Amino acid sequence: DSGVTQTPKHLITATGQRVTLRCSPRSGDLSVYWYQQSLDQGLQFLIQYYNGEERAKGNILERFSAQQFPDLHSELNLSSLELGDSALYFCASSVAGDSYNEQFFGPGTRLTVL
Amino acid sequence: KNEVEQSPQNLTAQEGEFITINCSYSVGISALHWLQQHPGGGIVSLFMLSSGKKKHGRLIATINIQEKHSSLHITASHPRDSAVYICAAPLPNTGNQFYFGTGTSLTVIP
Repeated sequence: DSGVTQTPKHLITATGQRVTLRCSPRSGDLSVYWYQQSLDQGLQFLIQYYNGEERAKGNILERFSAQQFPDLHSELNLSSLELGDSALYFCASSVAGDSYNEQFFGPGTRLTVL
Repeated sequence: KNEVEQSPQNLTAQEGEFITINCSYSVGISALHWLQQHPGGGIVSLFMLSSGKKKHGRLIATINIQEKHSSLHITASHPRDSAVYICAAPLPNTGNQFYFGTGTSLTVIP
């Protein structure tokens, strides 16, 4: 158990809908990362937050947005869902915001868009 | 072209064999991470390297910054080591944006 929690574990929804994925980092970790893993693309970095502020942005679609709250939990919002958004979404946390820190991964949320 | 390349893509080994997985990258990086993804999907961070060598149990990771290359070794492999191994690096001038290798799928046969 990494100490990172993600909810829900599974999510099935329809095209055009909007969903929110939630991540709680390990106690004491200030940084949260979001990743997408689809069958044809592998793992891709979406976005990173550090202590409530956006730190780095990857290939995140404009339909997707994220934020980190004062209690350090983070939410990833996916809207106008398309079939291609079906994937595993992981969040990870680390103590600090730079690349020298180990990341601890949550169990992931499996999103299926029908 | 992927900035982070891994080889081999697939690897089958007999239990007890010594295993090497390679990761090479095309630009200068400050750190490299090795991850393990189990068949159920869970991801575990194995190592973060910025130089030299690290060892944890039967796992050893090395990095040569000048040659832009890292290796993950597994000694005395066991069926429970069967997983996908992924290297990842934050590329320079991208803030902290991570790029991932395509992964090496390892199967260890008893």
